[in-house]
Amino acid sequence: AQTVTQSQPEMSVQEAETVTLSCTYDTSENNYYLFWYKQPPSRQMILVIRQEAYKQQNATENRFSVNFQKAAKSFSLKISDSQLGDTAMYFCAFIVKAAGNKLTFGGGTRVLVKP
Amino acid sequence: DAGVIQSPRHEVTEMGQEVTLRCKPISGHDYLFWYRQTMMRGLELLIYFNNNVPIDDSGMPEDRFSAKMPNASFSTLKIQPSEPRDSAVYFCASSLAGRGAFFGQGTRLTVV
Repeated sequence: AQTVTQSQPEMSVQEAETVTLSCTYDTSENNYYLFWYKQPPSRQMILVIRQEAYKQQNATENRFSVNFQKAAKSFSLKISDSQLGDTAMYFCAFIVKAAGNKLTFGGGTRVLVKP
Repeated sequence: DAGVIQSPRHEVTEMGQEVTLRCKPISGHDYLFWYRQTMMRGLELLIYFNNNVPIDDSGMPEDRFSAKMPNASFSTLKIQPSEPRDSAVYFCASSLAGRGAFFGQGTRLTVV
């Protein structure tokens, strides 16, 4: 079975500082994709960043970057220069090609950015 | 593209009534997912389709739930009869295999 674990239920950060969210996953496959989604209070699910498992280079999208450690099955998200609009739930997710491209989510981490 | 479109945005119904949620995926996407989100259980995958064919419905909680995808541009999730414990936000999402799913705005269902 494919599983995703987010061990931090909630985190807070001061505006302009950096916060790192952890995510671990479990699969025996080699071909998969990893994602981070943001869900603000509006409840809209927004795709933030994507990483292919076969790429060693860590993905970056503006202030969002990942630290992908394939051997450790770890996929953390770093939010730099935090802004008030970053306050949201953040979900780690992945798709395993051999498992039929089923999109599996972790339990989420609530991030609160304080002014 | 307008993105994934779900309707209705909000639904309030009485216990025992039939509820139908609708979804229009992004054109060209070959996967469609239905999720349910609650505070207690988080995001649960109910069912997903590939090229209109159901691939995995193991997340459908009971026989009261059914989903169809008659064509590439439309899917429904039906609950009959509805119960108060079905109250949740239901999301539809679509993807082009492996590229990440894009979500609709969700339907907030309240069963009283």
